[in-house]
Amino acid sequence: KAGVTQTPRYLIKTRGQQVTLSCSPISGHRSVSWYQQTPGQGLQFLFEYFSETQRNKGNFPGRFSGRQFSNSRSEMNVSTLELGDSALYLCASSLGDRGDNSPLHFGNGTRLTVT
Amino acid sequence: GENVEQHPSTLSVQEGDSAVIKCTYSDSASNYFPWYKQELGKGPQLIIDIRSNVGEKKDQRIAVTLNKTAKHFSLHITETQPEDSAVYFCAASISHPLKLIFGTGTRLQVFP
Repeated sequence: KAGVTQTPRYLIKTRGQQVTLSCSPISGHRSVSWYQQTPGQGLQFLFEYFSETQRNKGNFPGRFSGRQFSNSRSEMNVSTLELGDSALYLCASSLGDRGDNSPLHFGNGTRLTVT
Repeated sequence: GENVEQHPSTLSVQEGDSAVIKCTYSDSASNYFPWYKQELGKGPQLIIDIRSNVGEKKDQRIAVTLNKTAKHFSLHITETQPEDSAVYFCAASISHPLKLIFGTGTRLQVFP
């Protein structure tokens, strides 16, 4: 079974631009979560989607947004990029049903550099 | 909100020795505790997890223990090998929906 796939692997953007990252979950997984990883703040939860609905959100500004499609694929968008948005963005998927005990499985991330 | 502390930040052991990494969580409602291994250039890989109704879980050379009263959980790796070298993260969550709060990571180095 293929794992979580994230594209692109690397991105370089300029301050003020916007960026869209893509994630394809493991087949059959309906929940997709996004995390930001930086050396200073570590791994931080951004948001979680299930059946095209955002179920949970972390403490990030509104410049960070996401969506999920009917095939469970997800995208996250960051607008008006700041230098501090440079990070590894990780997508994770799970079965996600209520009462489910399915763990999170991560992709290899998208490395975003803002100059 | 939930906070997870992880110690030590770095750990060096000789091949064949055991390694122990400890975490403490703050929210008594947390009931799911996974451990992840992250190698350079890759995303975190789940290596073992435990739920609050279980005190200990083993998988070959890896074991995790949970003390709910003290809000501590630990990762034990026995007979370490050079390929165990990586950064290890603990996390805590209320199981549904999953919103993992991660520890700060432990860089484990296993020397041949």
